[in-house]
Amino acid sequence: EPEVTQTPSHQVTQMGQEVILRCVPISNHLYFYWYRQILGQKVEFLVSFYNNEISEKSEIFDDQFSVERPDGSNFTLKIRSTKLEDSAMYFCASSLQGSTGELFFGEGSRLTVL
Amino acid sequence: DAKTTQPNSMESNEEEPVHLPCNHSTISGTDYIHWYRQLPSQGPEYVIHGLTSNVNNRMASLAIAEDRKSSTLILHRATLRDAAVYYCILPLWAGTALIFGKGTTLSVSS
Repeated sequence: EPEVTQTPSHQVTQMGQEVILRCVPISNHLYFYWYRQILGQKVEFLVSFYNNEISEKSEIFDDQFSVERPDGSNFTLKIRSTKLEDSAMYFCASSLQGSTGELFFGEGSRLTVL
Repeated sequence: DAKTTQPNSMESNEEEPVHLPCNHSTISGTDYIHWYRQLPSQGPEYVIHGLTSNVNNRMASLAIAEDRKSSTLILHRATLRDAAVYYCILPLWAGTALIFGKGTTLSVSS
């Protein structure tokens, strides 16, 4: 069964460093998403991406965040200057039909900012 | 997304059916009802979705009230692996993101 894969599974970084989280969505999917989940809290939407541009973003997704689909297969989330509060599990998701269809989520990348 | 209301938690015994309710009284005629779940230490996982008719798949059944103001996710025989947070979500349209609430935390005892 096709799946969304994310790397790294766990990254530890120092505050102020840049981090790139990578995702390989399911190959024929058209909609891409990043969510995050701080430990013990609910899953929070960050950004959605469709037709090579951001289609929606939350207030969490400020200028420190960016997304890119550099080569038609990878979908990356970059955090320019990490803060302690960026420590969370980051989930990538993809969908063929958007949110009215089925979203497939990856296993997540755990980011720890020291 | 249209507002949904779910109980914070529910408990079940293994091998018994579980009925997880969701109220969505402000649902519009074209809103699909989606259910996702999140197992411990994993990403959310699609369970089922429907519009008007009851739906079945290998994981669960979805019973939708005739007025569509509520729905029930049915796990026919709960297993320990079904212990998870279950989310009822009504996405506004394909281009908007799924917004997760607090969901219902299901505990399953052996």
